[in-house]
Amino acid sequence: NAGVTQTPKFRVLKTGQSMTLLCAQDMNHEYMYWYRQDPGMGLRLIHYSVGEGTTAKGEVPDGYNVSRLKKQNFLLGLESAAPSQTSVYFCASSYSPGTGDQRSEAFFGQGTRLTVV
Amino acid sequence: GDSVTQMEGPVTLSEEAFLTINCTYTATGYPSLFWYVQYPGEGLQLLLKATKADDKGSNKGFEATYRKETTSFHLEKGSVQVSDSAVYFCALSGKAAGNKLTFGGGTRVLVKP
Repeated sequence: NAGVTQTPKFRVLKTGQSMTLLCAQDMNHEYMYWYRQDPGMGLRLIHYSVGEGTTAKGEVPDGYNVSRLKKQNFLLGLESAAPSQTSVYFCASSYSPGTGDQRSEAFFGQGTRLTVV
Repeated sequence: GDSVTQMEGPVTLSEEAFLTINCTYTATGYPSLFWYVQYPGEGLQLLLKATKADDKGSNKGFEATYRKETTSFHLEKGSVQVSDSAVYFCALSGKAAGNKLTFGGGTRVLVKP
């Protein structure tokens, strides 16, 4: 059982380049999230999804786009990378329908360390 | 909106010392409360959780009690080990759609032999 898998694990981009981060979960979770982690600031929510085909903005959505075409995948895109987007990105998922607890545990991937130069 | 405040680190302790990390929150209604732990180079793992007032979450010797009257969820461990060195995050999940987690800034704990 792989849980939540993120690819790639590391990436260096030049300012203005684009890239897509992929998140895949095999737990049949409805909800998926993208967070960024910066020193001293904890994790901040970028975008999230409450189901296949849905997306919503989080706390810091500017400069990012997302898509959830399949239930198990959640993609995070950077159209034109900026140095301010240098961070560690975490994907997470939660909530299996039928478990009865809508506020269930979130499972996290291992993270993607992105550096924009 | 929802917010979580936790004590800043780093916290440096000797092995077998008592650990407390303070966490207070602001939220409407009755959120669920969590402690996550991040070991070096890894993602976050759930350490413990509490879903209603006066609940006590516990795991691996760590405990935290959901105190609605003081809006707090302090993490405690009676005797830490070197392997407990990590970053600890307090978080809440409110009633808003999507179970979104709001995190505190994290507290780095370093346990020395």
